[in-house]
Amino acid sequence: KNQVEQSPQSLIILEGKNCTLQCNYTVSPFSNLRWYKQDTGRGPVSLTIMTFSENTKSNGRYTATLDADTKQSSLHITASQLSDSASYICVVSRISGGGADGLTFGKGTHLIIQP
Amino acid sequence: GAVVSQHPSWVICKSGTSVKIECRSLDFQATTMFWYRQFPKQSLMLMATSNEGSKATYEQGVEKDKFLINHASLTLSTLTVTSAHPEDSSFYICSASPRLAGLNTQYFGPGTRLTVL
Repeated sequence: KNQVEQSPQSLIILEGKNCTLQCNYTVSPFSNLRWYKQDTGRGPVSLTIMTFSENTKSNGRYTATLDADTKQSSLHITASQLSDSASYICVVSRISGGGADGLTFGKGTHLIIQP
Repeated sequence: GAVVSQHPSWVICKSGTSVKIECRSLDFQATTMFWYRQFPKQSLMLMATSNEGSKATYEQGVEKDKFLINHASLTLSTLTVTSAHPEDSSFYICSASPRLAGLNTQYFGPGTRLTVL
């Protein structure tokens, strides 16, 4: 069964600190993995997309890693800001014949940055 | 580029009424659009896949007569929640796949908060 598990479920850190969010998946055959940021009451916004051959990808203070062998990904946030408070969703795509069943969504990590 | 809009951003309606939500791809053509529902602190749940010019494909457990989907053009899909009830209150998000990008490339709209009284 195609599944995406994210941890922790929620996280509270102080402004300026770093944090790492985890994503484990069992989606197969693997196509790509995306991290999205979803502000409360808003739609998801893509942060990074990684394919099988990519190990690390950065987008400003966000750095995603991918280990396709262990089927794990992480999203590292450096020098957190209050605006980083959001849900971070890991979405894994599989190679499929068509239809959105090619996407498997994680439940997200709810991150709160405290001043 | 790749902007998807939704209208309205929020709506409050009485039980038994119908509500229409629009999803537009503003700067690209989308042969396929997707409708999701998201409950508080839950992930997005796919409701249906909307294909331009043809009938939508609904996920298991989603009532097609209750959630009417129309994809009349390459830039517009609408979701109508018919005879809405309080349990239909949720956050509805659409996404659109650019014409040549493949279905796994989806750009999400900002969502519509539906509250049924």
